[in-house]
Amino acid sequence: GENVEQHPSTLSVQEGDSAVIKCTYSDSASNYFPWYKQELGKGPQLIIDIRSNVGEKKDQRIAVTLNKTAKHFSLHITETQPEDSAVYFCAGGAGSYQLTFGKGTKLSVIP
Amino acid sequence: DADVTQTPRNRITKTGKRIMLECSQTKGHDRMYWYRQDPGLGLRLIYYSFDVKDINKGEISDGYSVSRQAQAKFSLSLESAIPNQTALYFCATSESGTIEKLFFGSGTQLSVL
Repeated sequence: GENVEQHPSTLSVQEGDSAVIKCTYSDSASNYFPWYKQELGKGPQLIIDIRSNVGEKKDQRIAVTLNKTAKHFSLHITETQPEDSAVYFCAGGAGSYQLTFGKGTKLSVIP
Repeated sequence: DADVTQTPRNRITKTGKRIMLECSQTKGHDRMYWYRQDPGLGLRLIYYSFDVKDINKGEISDGYSVSRQAQAKFSLSLESAIPNQTALYFCATSESGTIEKLFFGSGTQLSVL
């Protein structure tokens, strides 16, 4: 089955700096890679996703890149703000019921 | 009101007890899921259902059972709770046909003593 590795497990950045979280996957059949943000006391919420026929996708301050050859994808957050502090999960798979999640990255943005 | 509602939000129970976690949704989605979250382990799929008559095991279904009472309701049961089932449980929904966005509830924190 799919194995998704996520790094780092914790990340601290100064407000205004960029944050990068990286994930690797093992199954070449995986074609869908979402990123979820989980705030304290809440369920995860989808913030951006990418499919294997696309190399990069942006939505305001967040972007995701995908390298199919190397089987890795990354989340980039620019101009970080305190409200970006949360746990971020990457996932990979070939369908919503086939998603394998990474173990999460706790991002802290220091004002 | 939340689109995906889980009850209870917190539950403490004893080893060997039967417990049910409930999930209801107002999003009109056909697909529903139960996930378990453990610190440092991410989210793992327990069961999923594509419609009322379709129930499927996920990665970690042992020790759990589910019931899809209606399109909007999906419950998770622990027949005989054990301490290593202490975790944060999430219900989620998604649309059928198109993929893949999961909508999660706020979670149920379960502690088995």
